Amino acid sequence: AQTVTQSQPEMSVQEAETVTLSCTYDTSESNYYLFWYKQPPSRQMILVIRQEAYKQQNATENRFSVNFQKAAKSFSLKISDSQLGDTAMYFCAFTRYRDDKIIFGKGTRLHILP
Amino acid sequence: DGGITQSPKYLFRKEGQNVTLSCEQNLNHDAMYWYRQDPGQGLRLIYYSQIVNDFQKGDIAEGYSVSREKKESFPLTVTSAQKNPTAFYLCASSKAGLHDNEQFFGPGTRLTVL
Repeated sequence: AQTVTQSQPEMSVQEAETVTLSCTYDTSESNYYLFWYKQPPSRQMILVIRQEAYKQQNATENRFSVNFQKAAKSFSLKISDSQLGDTAMYFCAFTRYRDDKIIFGKGTRLHILP
Repeated sequence: DGGITQSPKYLFRKEGQNVTLSCEQNLNHDAMYWYRQDPGQGLRLIYYSQIVNDFQKGDIAEGYSVSREKKESFPLTVTSAQKNPTAFYLCASSKAGLHDNEQFFGPGTRLTVL
């Protein structure tokens, strides 16, 4: 069975700093997708970034980028120039290719301090 | 605007009562999902449905029931058999058949049992 582990329950950083959230996963599949979702205090879940396992290039979306290490089964999220609006719960998630379910980690609560 | 709506935003229930949470989407998505979110637990899958008139149990289906009579709607009933129903409930949808099963989320319903 696939599992997703986020080892940092909570983190705090100063505004404008760079922060990295960790995620590891376990699977025997070779084709799969990984996601980072953001849940701000409003509790609306928003997709931040997506990575396809067969693509070696790390995905980037503006200030958000990932470090995807397939052999190590690691998928960390880097937030550059952090902003107060980045304060949220962040969930790492996994889905197999063409699967009908997504498996979520337990989340990392990130506080951006002014 | 396309999206997912959940109602009500807050719901209070007395012990022993059944209650139904509404989820509607106008994204023309085939698949719909119900998750339960508790502090420190991440998102846990309750039920999901890939097509109308069909649904499958997720990881924590006991004490819950669903129906899928219309493509746009996937209501969740929390029955009196659910021992600890106080939680935040999220509905999601996705377009089945895609490689990555990206899910879009509603704003959630907070259920409190009094």
